[in-house]
Formats: sequence, C-alpha cells, structure tokens
Amino acid sequence: GNSVTQMEGPVTLSEEAFLTINCTYTATGYPSLFWYVQYPGEGLQLLLKATKADDKGSNKGFEATYRKETTSFHLEKGSVQVSDSAVYFCALEGSYIPTFGRGTSLIVHP
Amino acid sequence: ETGVTQSPTHLIKTRGQQVTLRCSSQSGHNTVSWYQQALGQGPQFIFQYYREEENGRGNFPPRFSGLQFPNYSSELNVNALELDDSALYLCASSPPQGDAGELFFGEGSRLTVL
Repeated sequence: GNSVTQMEGPVTLSEEAFLTINCTYTATGYPSLFWYVQYPGEGLQLLLKATKADDKGSNKGFEATYRKETTSFHLEKGSVQVSDSAVYFCALEGSYIPTFGRGTSLIVHP
Repeated sequence: ETGVTQSPTHLIKTRGQQVTLRCSSQSGHNTVSWYQQALGQGPQFIFQYYREEENGRGNFPPRFSGLQFPNYSSELNVNALELDDSALYLCASSPPQGDAGELFFGEGSRLTVL
C-alpha cells in the first residue's frame, strides 16, 4: 500500500536559518504530493502541492519539488520565522485516498 | 466564505458507548472525508463521502460508519467505543474537480474514551 515517511522531529532552528524537512513516499502510479501545516490549536491547512514529476510547489516562502527518481518531496525554506513554528505533514493522494506522514514539529527560536 | 466546522469540539465517553460527530463542509464543496489523528501521529483516512455515498474507506472496522446529507454536511458514528478510539477526529471537504488530496480541514473533535 501507499506510505509516507517523514524525518523525526522536533526540528529546532534559530530565526532566519535554512529549513529542510525530508519526506519520501511509496506509491503505485503517479500520486499527487502535498505538504500540510498545523499551527497550535488549529486544523490542518494545505501549504503547497505538486501533481507530477519535477513540479515545484511553493507558498509563503516554502518550496518542495516532486522527485520521482528518488520518490521524495522535501520541504525547504530559505529563512524561517518564529511564526513558522508548527507541525508539518507530508501527504500523497493515490486512488482518491490520501495518506499522511506522522508529521514533523518545527520550533523556531528568536 | 464559511470554512469547515465540526461539533462538538471536545467530548468524553466511556467504553462501549456510541458517539456521533458532525461536520459542515465548506461552501460549494461536495466531498467530505473523515480522519482519525492519534496523539503524535498523522491523520489516518477513515472514509470519504461524495453525493451522499461512501466512495472510499480506509482500514477501519464497520463500527465506524457515516452519512452525508443533501446539503453535503456529514456525520461520523462510532459504536462500541474502545479506549484506542481516543483521538482527534478531523473532517475535511474538497471542491468539485479538485485534487482528492487538496483538503480543507476543520479544527476537529477531540474524543476521550474512558
């Protein structure tokens, strides 16, 4: 079946540091890939998506590139802010059923 | 535009009881899906409803059941509650013609089973 593996957290960074959160997946066919973010006390929000190989999704300074050869969709941001502190979930959609990773907590210190 | 709303936000039940959780989808969205999120885990897909019919189900037993109404709102029912059912239950809606994974989530209903 489909699966998503994310790096374990928490990831702790200082403000303006570079962020990478790794995500790899296993799926049949060509799934769409997503990153969701969950701020404290809130529901999940779609952050970005990519629907085919080599697509780059981007939003709010975050980027992720759909790498079919390495089955990866790593999330990056060049300069994090305290307000980026949240839990980030990588997800894929295959056969109309979404599969989520376990989430990676990001803590950004001033 | 009203987002996805869920009720109740918190509830406590005892083992063996039954629970009903409710969800109103975002305006214009005709597909609703339900997820179970245990503490420290990602959301696990329970099932999805489209035009009042279940059209996808995850690895959950039949005591998890649901409904979708003509206005696209939805209910999740869980019978014979077990301790492991304690979790945050998330509802998500998605628009017509959208990616199945492009989901708009509510804030969830936190269920505690004692």
